[in-house]
Amino acid sequence: QKEVEQDPGPLSVPEGAIVSLNCTYSNSAFQYFMWYRQYSRKGPELLMYTYSSGNKEDGRFTAQVDKSSKYISLFIRDSQPSDSATYLCAMSLIDDKIIFGKGTRLHILP
Amino acid sequence: DTAVSQTPKYLVTQMGNDKSIKCEQNLGHDTMYWYKQDSKKFLKIMFSYNNKELIINETVPNRFSPKSPDKAHLNLHINSLELGDSAVYFCASRPRFDEQFFGPGTRLTVL
Repeated sequence: QKEVEQDPGPLSVPEGAIVSLNCTYSNSAFQYFMWYRQYSRKGPELLMYTYSSGNKEDGRFTAQVDKSSKYISLFIRDSQPSDSATYLCAMSLIDDKIIFGKGTRLHILP
Repeated sequence: DTAVSQTPKYLVTQMGNDKSIKCEQNLGHDTMYWYKQDSKKFLKIMFSYNNKELIINETVPNRFSPKSPDKAHLNLHINSLELGDSAVYFCASRPRFDEQFFGPGTRLTVL
């Protein structure tokens, strides 16, 4: 079983819709959970990170971590065409390498 | 003002050649990384350096050799390039516990 599983998509949704992106993981010791956004031909950039279970909100973005189920989610409200990108989940132990998911390609249709 | 910079941005070369990619960060971070992102967008760690010392060396062919002349630089030298080396290579730096800052990537094409 891979350490981090993420559906590669592509996922196409109409503008204004709520987007739900998900990852599952196998290592229950992971403590830091992150979502990165990567535009075409650019490097990944951090969107959000959390180190506990529960929800964390930042504008239109909400990150959710369920450690008991080993499941993390990223919700995007009022999705915009500019949100079209690849979203990578990532997680790590303290002071250890970050393990990335394969990324989900998201297309927001105007 | 670029936090993590890489050169060159694009690199096209023949099989069997030796090439280098340079990375510099001006963030003062102790830890730097090299990642390889293949055509399916899978981002895989190759190396990690902390204060010029090699910390992580994933299963990478010996043809790949990182070099860190100082804390702000981590270069990647590749010998005897193969077709399968074609990918985008990202440099990143990381403060302790926190996020990684990625460079813009170097798109390597081996013909």
